[in-house]
Formats: sequence, structure tokens, C-alpha cells
Amino acid sequence: ETGVTQTPRHLVMGMTNKKSLKCEQHLGHNAMYWYKQSAKKPLELMFVYSLEERVENNSVPSRFSPECPNSSHLFLHLHTLQPEDSALYLCASSQAPGTGDEQYFGPGTRLTVT
Amino acid sequence: QKEVEQNSGPLSVPEGAIASLNCTYSDRGSQSFFWYRQYSGKSPELIMSIYSNGDKEDGRFTAQLNKASQYVSLLIRDSQPSDSATYLCAVSDNTDKLIFGTGTRLQVFP
Repeated sequence: ETGVTQTPRHLVMGMTNKKSLKCEQHLGHNAMYWYKQSAKKPLELMFVYSLEERVENNSVPSRFSPECPNSSHLFLHLHTLQPEDSALYLCASSQAPGTGDEQYFGPGTRLTVT
Repeated sequence: QKEVEQNSGPLSVPEGAIASLNCTYSDRGSQSFFWYRQYSGKSPELIMSIYSNGDKEDGRFTAQLNKASQYVSLLIRDSQPSDSATYLCAVSDNTDKLIFGTGTRLQVFP
């Protein structure tokens, strides 16, 4: 595997379900990010982890819960989502946190909440 | 509220022409600037980064930065139909936060 990978690529879940998104980076980077991309809106930063510590929580509802067990893996745990949470969820990583370094994206998880 | 503005397009150019994409930003403290390409249904792909005033060339792509006027542009020379995509401008104040524009859709017709 190379670059940034995400699983699953597509997810349909009901509002009462609990699911998790997984991201893995194979670049040796030290920072990982979760973004949300909705139609007609700019990418929205959700969470930032730098050296496995959360450094940014961009006013995200508590129904989204991130986890970063090590510098290569990032999870987004989902529970009791709303239909408006349907979007493309993107994971990204960068080499040097806190420096405005280039961020590289995974392929994303297309989430549909029914 | 820090903002990045892009014309949503579509910008239509014939094959072989130069496509010019523009972006303005509100935060004067911005230090790093990026252009991403996003094909429909795919994730953003980094194509250019620029950090200082002037031009930066990479193959058919040239990024231009003017911090005094707070704009950054991307020129694509010899445009190809495969360049048809949405181009996202992103800026950073050298924290972990990237601020994205909504993107400009480029259409290159044969």
C-alpha cells in the first residue's frame, strides 16, 4: 500500500447505527486530518492530530469521535448521525505539523445516512 | 472569518489553450498556498505549492503568488481534456489548518 488509504470507500448507515471510518498513511508523516466535503461547500476541517495528540477540534458535534492510536492510523467513530451528515469524508496527512506543510489526501469514504 | 474565494465556473477552454484559474484570500497572515485538482467522485490531488511571491513552474503548470494583492493563480499551458476537473485553492497561516475555496470547474473541450 502507498500513500493514504481509507476504508470503507462507501458506507450507508441508519441514524441509530454505530460505524467507524479508518485511515492509514504509509508516508511516514506526523500529522493526520479528517475533513468533510459536502456538495457546493468548501472542504471543512474536522480534526487534526499532530504526533498522535489532538490539536484541533473544529466545533464538530460529539456524534463524531476521532481516535489516533499511532502516527499511521486514524479513525472516525460515528454514532446517531443525521441525514445532513451525508458527505465525503476525507483523511489527509502531512510531514511537519504546525508548519503549513503540504497535505496529501486519501480516496475518501462516501457516507450516506438514511 | 478567514476566506478563500474562487469563481465556481465552469471555465471552458479549447484544447491546447492556456487555462487561468484565480483565487483570492482574506487573511494577510497566510504563508503557504496550494492548488489541488479534484476529478468528479475522487479526492483532491496536490498539484502545486507556493510559498513566496512570484512564479513557480512545474511542467505545464505555473503557480503565481502576489501577497500584496492577496491572490494566487494557476496557469495550465497546452490544456488537455484530461485536465477537466475542479481546481481547489487552499491557504495556510502555517498552522495545521488549511482553508479551502469552493473550487473552479475547468472544462477543456477538444
